[in-house]
Amino acid sequence: AQKVTQAQTEISVVEKEDVTLDCVYETRDTTYYLFWYKQPPSGELVFLIRRNSFDEQNEISGRYSWNFQKSTSSFNFTITASQVVDSAVYFCALSESLGSSNTGKLIFGQGTTLQVKP
Amino acid sequence: DAGVTQSPTHLIKTRGQQVTLRCSPISGHKSVSWYQQVLGQGPQFIFQYYEKEERGRGNFPDRFSARQFPNYSSELNVNALLLGDSALYLCASSPYRGVNQPQHFGDGTRLSIL
Repeated sequence: AQKVTQAQTEISVVEKEDVTLDCVYETRDTTYYLFWYKQPPSGELVFLIRRNSFDEQNEISGRYSWNFQKSTSSFNFTITASQVVDSAVYFCALSESLGSSNTGKLIFGQGTTLQVKP
Repeated sequence: DAGVTQSPTHLIKTRGQQVTLRCSPISGHKSVSWYQQVLGQGPQFIFQYYEKEERGRGNFPDRFSARQFPNYSSELNVNALLLGDSALYLCASSPYRGVNQPQHFGDGTRLSIL
């Protein structure tokens, strides 16, 4: 069965510290997509990144970086020099194909609440 | 350009009532999905609509139904409300259907059942 596990429920850091959010997934598909979303207190889920199963190249976007390792089924997210504005709930998600219709649905992890203190 | 808009923002209902939630996708997006997010958990997939047809359904009872209109906006209906239906209901849109499509979410409708 498709599953996403975010073992860290809550993380608290002090501003300017680096922090890594872990994500482990399970799937039998050979082609799949992984996503990270940020959910601030307002509730809206903000798309951060998409990665397909054939692209294991790490990606960096400003203070954000992602490490995808197919061998360990992990897709971890690192924030460098964290800021108070990074405080939010972060979700890792796996896109599952619903049969032959090529319709994707997102399977989310439980989320990790990140608190960055000044 | 406007993002995904949902209405109402908040809603309070009592057990047994019926509710309709509304969603307008990003302009040009033809796919709309609905998710339920219970407090402290990740969103759970309810429905996906594309070109006005249901393309996918999650593990939710028949009390949940939805439709998509010719302008690609969508409604989610929930009948015979239960206390457990209290949640944040999120609508997401994407240009097309497909596993590779990043979904863009609205702010959600917070539904409270008394």
